[in-house]
Amino acid sequence: LAKTTQPISMDSYEGQEVNITCSHNNIATNDYITWYQQFPSQGPRFIIQGYKTKVTNEVASLFIPADRKSSTLSLPRVSLSDTAVYYCLVGAPGGSQGNLIFGKGTKLSVKP
Amino acid sequence: GAVVSQHPSWVICKSGTSVKIECRSLDFQATTMFWYRQFPKQSLMLMATSNEGSKATYEQGVEKDKFLINHASLTLSTLTVTSAHPEDSSFYICSASPYPGELFFGEGSRLTVL
Repeated sequence: LAKTTQPISMDSYEGQEVNITCSHNNIATNDYITWYQQFPSQGPRFIIQGYKTKVTNEVASLFIPADRKSSTLSLPRVSLSDTAVYYCLVGAPGGSQGNLIFGKGTKLSVKP
Repeated sequence: GAVVSQHPSWVICKSGTSVKIECRSLDFQATTMFWYRQFPKQSLMLMATSNEGSKATYEQGVEKDKFLINHASLTLSTLTVTSAHPEDSSFYICSASPYPGELFFGEGSRLTVL
């Protein structure tokens, strides 16, 4: 299973765009990249998933370069409610995906 | 999206007693469910994979006799912490998926052992 490396923490202000980068040098050919958000005392929540290039949904964008050794989660115009821990996970989406390894995550603090 | 629910949300018990936590997939069937443990300010750690109709698969270092997992139906998995001690106090989270590509997590259950 590919290991991921993310910044431990990031600070931002309301209304700014936040980009969180994740390194996954050992990503395998059939691995996807998935980001989860976790608030204190809650289970993680799916944000976005991608394989290559760019993926966008209603809450975020995910940028993946051609070599796929890293990825960047982009949160447009963050608000205070985006303060949470963000996890980048790498693995094959089929089968027993639950054995994905959670890294330390990035604690995002959004200030007014 | 799919819904995974846990019960109870929090539980306090005395040292030496056993506690059962339930994980239910409310709108889909799950042949496989996953149990995690999360200590304060730490990441989620996968404890075991719960398989419907068969024995659970435990991660290295997780005592299977202490953390009993039962997956008796396609919508319910239970985690029983036996003879709980204060060091077992933690946030326990389950997850499941109705289809490949996305995991759905329960709300978590906070266990406090006095």
